[in-house]
Amino acid sequence: AQKITQTQPGMFVQEKEAVTLDCTYDTSDPSYGLFWYKQPSSGEMIFLIYQGSYDQQNATEGRYSLNFQKARKSANLVISASQLGDSAMYFCAMREGDTDKLIFGTGTRLQVFP
Amino acid sequence: DVKVTQSSRYLVKRTGEKVFLECVQDMDHENMFWYRQDPGLGLRLIYFSYDVKMKEKGDIPEGYSVSREKKERFSLILESASTNQTSMYLCASSPRQGANNQPQHFGDGTRLSIL
Repeated sequence: AQKITQTQPGMFVQEKEAVTLDCTYDTSDPSYGLFWYKQPSSGEMIFLIYQGSYDQQNATEGRYSLNFQKARKSANLVISASQLGDSAMYFCAMREGDTDKLIFGTGTRLQVFP
Repeated sequence: DVKVTQSSRYLVKRTGEKVFLECVQDMDHENMFWYRQDPGLGLRLIYFSYDVKMKEKGDIPEGYSVSREKKERFSLILESASTNQTSMYLCASSPRQGANNQPQHFGDGTRLSIL
């Protein structure tokens, strides 16, 4: 079974609008962490935001926020006020328990248009 | 800032060749990782090293080996390259578990083509 599921292969959003990228996860471990990365066309992976399973508040980093719904096992990334430079692949990833390894989803390609 | 450097951005090799991909990090991280990225499949872990000379197989280790002789350097080796190993290869490093919110830091990737 997929541990990390990103159901949106591609998304379009107009500049200055908000967009939500979906991520659901599957784990039985009560301790886990969720990460979002951005990959522009140049290829490098850029860390955006982190949410721990015991965190009470939803994580925020500038224009990025994480809509963490633990009971639904979802960790959706919200990008507010989209910019053309936000066009990229976005990956959700999970770390379970005490492992240092990450499990990645298949990614969502976001395109921001003027 | 953490810097993870991969030796080549683009590499073209022939079937059957032995191929070395090199990765160096400058933040004294214990952990280093090699992934391959293919369209529609996301990132898949090939090998993981948590200390010098220590390694652990990931999800797709077949056809690959690794070497970690020094803490800062982690090499991926394709023993006999095949066309199905044409892919984007990404190296990453991170501190050992204990700092839960520490992300993995990635290099720029190597696009490898096997002809």
